[in-house]
Amino acid sequence: DAGVIQSPRHEVTEMGQEVTLRCKPISGHDYLFWYRQTMMRGLELLIYFNNNVPIDDSGMPEDRFSAKMPNASFSTLKIQPSEPRDSAVYFCASGRRPETQYFGPGTRLLVL
Amino acid sequence: QKEVEQNSGPLSVPEGAIASLNCTYSDRGSQSFFWYRQYSGKSPELIMSIYSNGDKEDGRFTAQLNKASQYVSLLIRDSQPSDSATYLCAVNGDNFNKFYFGSGTKLNVKP
Repeated sequence: DAGVIQSPRHEVTEMGQEVTLRCKPISGHDYLFWYRQTMMRGLELLIYFNNNVPIDDSGMPEDRFSAKMPNASFSTLKIQPSEPRDSAVYFCASGRRPETQYFGPGTRLLVL
Repeated sequence: QKEVEQNSGPLSVPEGAIASLNCTYSDRGSQSFFWYRQYSGKSPELIMSIYSNGDKEDGRFTAQLNKASQYVSLLIRDSQPSDSATYLCAVNGDNFNKFYFGSGTKLNVKP
């Protein structure tokens, strides 16, 4: 059974470019979470979905960030325009319940 | 802002010893508490959850919760070099589905 799948695994881009991160949750999981991890701020929840509906996006840092979940098997996190301070590891996690989250391998983003 | 505090470490223990990891939290309304393990360059992995005051044991791991003092701890008995990782404490907030993570404690188990 495949775990949470994220793509790309690594992304290097230049400031001002649009970045799209993708996530395929584990089949049957109703909850999907997007996190960002940096040395300075640790692991932060950006947004989470329940049954494809965004429930809490209060962690999204600013309007440059947006997330969608068009169906139960796919979600995207978009940054437009990207800035160097967006450099981080972005994790997607899914679970049947919020208490049991399975994390994907993460996307390492570097904005130059 | 919900605060979850952990000593960043590193905490070094010899193989076979007990490792004790601690976490404090600020929100008295928190109901759910979790410990995640994160190996370097990898994603967090849930290893323990605890919801009630007291101890919860799972193999070599014991989670301890004291809501009155607002702390949660993780004990690892018979520590192994393979336990060397960063351990993240997570606590839910007033939105029970939303979790706040501490910055993690790095554990080194020396052979």
